[in-house]
This record gives sequence, structure tokens and C-alpha cells, in this order.
Amino acid sequence: DGGITQSPKYLFRKEGQNVTLSCEQNLNHDAMYWYRQDPGQGLRLIYYSQIVNDFQKGDIAEGYSVSREKKESFPLTVTSAQKNPTAFYLCASKDRARTTEAFFGQGTRLTVV
Amino acid sequence: AQKVTQAQTEISVVEKEDVTLDCVYETRDTTYYLFWYKQPPSGELVFLIRRNSFDEQNEISGRYSWNFQKSTSSFNFTITASQVVDSAVYFCALGSDQTGANNLFFGTGTRLTVIP
Repeated sequence: DGGITQSPKYLFRKEGQNVTLSCEQNLNHDAMYWYRQDPGQGLRLIYYSQIVNDFQKGDIAEGYSVSREKKESFPLTVTSAQKNPTAFYLCASKDRARTTEAFFGQGTRLTVV
Repeated sequence: AQKVTQAQTEISVVEKEDVTLDCVYETRDTTYYLFWYKQPPSGELVFLIRRNSFDEQNEISGRYSWNFQKSTSSFNFTITASQVVDSAVYFCALGSDQTGANNLFFGTGTRLTVIP
């Protein structure tokens, strides 16, 4: 079945560590996005990519990095520079045409221990 | 600037009651797109509906209906005869190509609890 797969579902990070969240899609979508969800704040855009080998910062990119080497994959690295990384992270993809909706993965819950 | 406001943080209703979730948006674009998503406890956002700014027709899909009014910049969502399975967080979102980013701007969500 077509869709977006995020892994792992739960992730624990020690302070000072970098961790990478995986996002893979087989929908043949050009555009991919990473959002962060905190209680009461909705979804905030971290990074997005419209095509392979290109990506742009969103509203809260500090402390995060991404790569887009393949159309299907858009991994997110949470670096030690991110001071408050505990949150729920959602990956999404969509067709580049703006009239289409975005499809979301099931999310990764990251907790700093 | 793009902005979506969902003033209702949490709503509780008894099963079979009707409930309306409010969404107010702000945009300077003449062409834009509005969406509703449902987030069940599993976490994944499920797409419910998309509306283009040039189509103000209201829509009904089973127990769900949507009221789009450009005059008040609102895109409200009504669930008729609510069921326990409707319990979730609901997000309204605005799509715009203003920055070329083709992104969605989300409201803060409304948590709906349907009590059996």
C-alpha cells in the first residue's frame, strides 16, 4: 500500500546526542515536510523539500538538519543544538501542485532523558 | 501573513449531539486552499476535506459537513450525531503559495471528546 512510514515510533535521546528520524514515502511525491507538534501549539514547520537535493528552512529550523538524496526519503536529524527537542514529530508529503492535500506519517515521539 | 485560528481548545459532547468546530483564517492571497485534518490517538493526521477559495459551496459527507464563508473568513466543521469514534484532535489548515513553499499553515487544533 502507498503511504508514508516514519521510524522509530518512540525515540529516547540523551542530552548532547544527535538522533535521526526516518521518513520514507512511496507515493511518488516531490514535496516532503517535517513538522513538530507540541501540546497546544499545533504543527510548526521545521524543514521542507520540494525536489531532490534541495531543501529549505521552515519556521523553527534551528537545531535541526535534513537531507534529500532520494525522492522517497527525507530524514531529520535533531542535533545537540536543539535545546528542547522533546516533542512529537510528523513527516508529510504531497504532490507539488498546491491544490492537493498532504499525507502524513504516524509520527515519532522523541523524549530527552 | 498566513494565520489560522481555532479558538476552541477543547470541546466535550455527549454521544449523538451535534458539534461545530470553528476555524477562522487570515491570508492576503486571492487564491488559497483550506483543509481539515483529524488526529486520532494514534497520532497520524487523516485528511478530511479540501476547499478552494473560489468554491464557496458547502459540503456534506455523511455525518460531516463544512461551511465555508469568505465574508467572515471562516471554514467551520460540523459533526452531526457525534460518536465516540469522533473523539480526536481536529486541525484546520490553510494552503498558500505566497512564499513559493507550498506549505500548510495549521491552527492549534481542537480536542473533541465524545462521551458515551
